[in-house]
Amino acid sequence: QKEVEQDPGPLSVPEGAIVSLNCTYSNSAFQYFMWYRQYSRKGPELLMYTYSSGNKEDGRFTAQVDKSSKYISLFIRDSQPSDSATYLCAMSADQFYFGTGTSLTVIP
Amino acid sequence: DTEVTQTPKHLVMGMTNKKSLKCEQHMGHRAMYWYKQKAKKPPELMFVYSYEKLSINESVPSRFSPECPNSSLLNLHLHALQPEDSALYLCASSQDPPVSNNSPLHFGNGTRLTVT
Repeated sequence: QKEVEQDPGPLSVPEGAIVSLNCTYSNSAFQYFMWYRQYSRKGPELLMYTYSSGNKEDGRFTAQVDKSSKYISLFIRDSQPSDSATYLCAMSADQFYFGTGTSLTVIP
Repeated sequence: DTEVTQTPKHLVMGMTNKKSLKCEQHMGHRAMYWYKQKAKKPPELMFVYSYEKLSINESVPSRFSPECPNSSLLNLHLHALQPEDSALYLCASSQDPPVSNNSPLHFGNGTRLTVT
């Protein structure tokens, strides 16, 4: 079993939709959680990071962590075509562990 | 633009060449990393430097040789690579080593390496 599980998609939504991206994990040592957006042929861009269980909001993005269920989510409101990218979740313990990434396409 | 700068952006090299990838960050971060990323895969850790000392080497072949000249710079020296080493090589940094669980990873835009 992988340390971090993430549905690879692809996920295709119409412009303006709410997008939900999710990761599950098995290692209770994970305490710090991150979401990255990666455009084709670019490096991953840090979107959100959080230590706590609960919600953290930044503009159209909300990161949610449920440590009891070992489940994290990223919500994108009012999705835009420019949100089309691969989204990676990541967690840290002795090193950083990544999900496989979810490919998202937002259709105009 | 990212705060982690990598050069060159693209590199094509033959299997007998020697080349170096360079990375620089000016955020005062104390940990720096090299990752390798193949298409449609997550980044794969190669090396970690904490406080300018190599702390993690993920069983990377010796044809990849890291160097940390100072707290802001990280190099990856390449020699006798194979075509399967073609990938996006990402440099990253964090305020503290990952075991501190208090700082995210910041990536550069990578060097796209092609080995012919």
